[in-house]
Amino acid sequence: AQTVTQSQPEMSVQEAETVTLSCTYDTSENNYYLFWYKQPPSRQMILVIRQEAYKQQNATENRFSVNFQKAAKSFSLKISDSQLGDTAMYFCAFLSTSGTYKYIFGTGTRLKVLA
Amino acid sequence: DADVTQTPRNRITKTGKRIMLECSQTKGHDRMYWYRQDPGLGLRLIYYSFDVKDINKGEISDGYSVSRQAQAKFSLSLESAIPNQTALYFCATSDGPGTPTQETQYFGPGTRLLVL
Repeated sequence: AQTVTQSQPEMSVQEAETVTLSCTYDTSENNYYLFWYKQPPSRQMILVIRQEAYKQQNATENRFSVNFQKAAKSFSLKISDSQLGDTAMYFCAFLSTSGTYKYIFGTGTRLKVLA
Repeated sequence: DADVTQTPRNRITKTGKRIMLECSQTKGHDRMYWYRQDPGLGLRLIYYSFDVKDINKGEISDGYSVSRQAQAKFSLSLESAIPNQTALYFCATSDGPGTPTQETQYFGPGTRLLVL
């Protein structure tokens, strides 16, 4: 069964600095999607970045980038130039579309950006 | 206007009551989903629907039912609410294969449900 593990329940970073959030997953499939979602205190779930497993190139979206290591089943999120508005829960998610549809979320990392 | 809306935003009910949570979307997506979020457990998939005639159980469907009234509407029902169904419930939509944003989920604002 697929699992998603976020081993850092809480993290903090100074404003303008860089922080990396970890995510590992377990699957026997070759084709899948990976996502990072942000949930600020407003509780809205917002897509940060997505990665298709067949793409070797790491996805980037402005200050957000991922380090996708398919063999190691690792999908970390790097936030550069952290801003106060980045304070939120961050969820890693795995999607399998092979056979039974499975969208598996990790337990989240609470990130606090300090002024 | 929000693309994915949920009503109500907050609800308090009593054990044994029937309750319906509603979701509407203006994104034109065929696929819709219901999740629940519990503290420390992340989001878990309850039901999903790839089109009006396609309904599927997710990871934790026991105690829940759904209805896809139209492409834009997907409701979640608790036939007889129990306290351990107290949670934050999210509706989401997505595009299907072959689209630029395929499989990216767009979430509603959530419904906070308390079952006493």
